[in-house]
Amino acid sequence: DAGVTQSPTHLIKTRGQQVTLRCSPKSGHDTVSWYQQALGQGPQFIFQYYEEEERQRGNFPDRFSGHQFPNYSSELNVNALLLGDSALYLCASSRDQSGTGRGYGYTFGSGTRLTVV
Amino acid sequence: ELKVEQNPLFLSMQEGKNYTIYCNYSTTSDRLYWYRQDPGKSLESLFVLLSNGAVKQEGRLMASLDTKARLSTLHITAAVHDLSATYFCAVGQQTGANNLFFGTGTRLTVIP
Repeated sequence: DAGVTQSPTHLIKTRGQQVTLRCSPKSGHDTVSWYQQALGQGPQFIFQYYEEEERQRGNFPDRFSGHQFPNYSSELNVNALLLGDSALYLCASSRDQSGTGRGYGYTFGSGTRLTVV
Repeated sequence: ELKVEQNPLFLSMQEGKNYTIYCNYSTTSDRLYWYRQDPGKSLESLFVLLSNGAVKQEGRLMASLDTKARLSTLHITAAVHDLSATYFCAVGQQTGANNLFFGTGTRLTVIP
């Protein structure tokens, strides 16, 4: 049973460029959340997708956008990259409990290390 | 916004010793998680605590939750070098939002 798969594992981009990160959730999971983890910090919530819609959003600018596909996989897009966007980006999947909007079992992927130069 | 504080931030301990990591959070929650992270790696789930008084143990690690005090502890018994890692607690809000709020982490180093 595959867990959460993220790609690519590492990425180097130049300031001002755009980047797309991808996530395939664990089998049976329908909700995907994205987190940004700066060096030496705890992960910070970016947004969550369920039923192909953004259900919640953290305190991140509109440069961060996402998408969820019918197969539950998801993309995180970041436009106009800044040096401060350099971080480990983690995808977490979970299973929504009967439409309650809550899922208790989160599985994290291995992350994408983004470096902006 | 829910705030999560962990202490200590850094912990260096000798093998065989016991120690406790503390996690305080600012508003009511119905779920608390402990994760382990090795350098450059993702988060490994250790425990999920869903009710007041919940206690879970796995090997040399034991986690507990006091929802009234908004406090969780991760107790390490007879530490071994393999436990060296960063430990995070994460809290979910009791209503509405489904995301997790993470503490800043405790970097544990076990010295032989």
